[in-house]
Amino acid sequence: AQSVTQPDIHITVSEGASLELRCNYSYGATPYLFWYVQSPGQGLQLLLKYFSGDTLVQGIKGFEAEFKRSQSSFNLRKPSVHWSDAAEYFCAVVNTGKLIFGQGTTLQVKP
Amino acid sequence: EPEVTQTPSHQVTQMGQEVILRCVPISNHLYFYWYRQILGQKVEFLVSFYNNEISEKSEIFDDQFSVERPDGSNFTLKIRSTKLEDSAMYFCASSSLTNNEKLFFGSGTQLSVL
Repeated sequence: AQSVTQPDIHITVSEGASLELRCNYSYGATPYLFWYVQSPGQGLQLLLKYFSGDTLVQGIKGFEAEFKRSQSSFNLRKPSVHWSDAAEYFCAVVNTGKLIFGQGTTLQVKP
Repeated sequence: EPEVTQTPSHQVTQMGQEVILRCVPISNHLYFYWYRQILGQKVEFLVSFYNNEISEKSEIFDDQFSVERPDGSNFTLKIRSTKLEDSAMYFCASSSLTNNEKLFFGSGTQLSVL
């Protein structure tokens, strides 16, 4: 069955530091992969997605993610974190139009 | 950017009561979804809806749940007799025919069953 694992439940980084959030997926075919962000009191906002082609995808708010088939990973990165990036981040894979989400990673940003 | 709107943002109800959660999807979208997130757990798929019928549902979506598109703009989720374990954040989402892999989510309705 398709699944998504986010190994880190909480991550704390200092403002200005780089960030990498891990995501591993289990999917038989070529996956459609997504990263969503949920700020407090807000809905889920799409950061970026991978369907095919270039394995390094750029998203909104300065985020990028790299699809690595050999590692079944789709890690999210940002070179310099801002305090406003504090939120919960969800990796997801799509299966017949429905999203299967990971557990989520809560990002805290220290001043 | 267009938005999916959900009302109410918070709903408190007594166990056994019926609740209706309301959603206004983006106007030209044709696929509609409900997801839920129990506190501390993953966001889970409940149901998808297209062409006025359910296209897929999860095992969570039992006979206590129903969805409806009563008019051209609203999409509702009804829970007939709420249980304590129905307490969760419920998200509505919609997508267009041409890009049904991109879902737009509402900000959610927090349902608390007492």
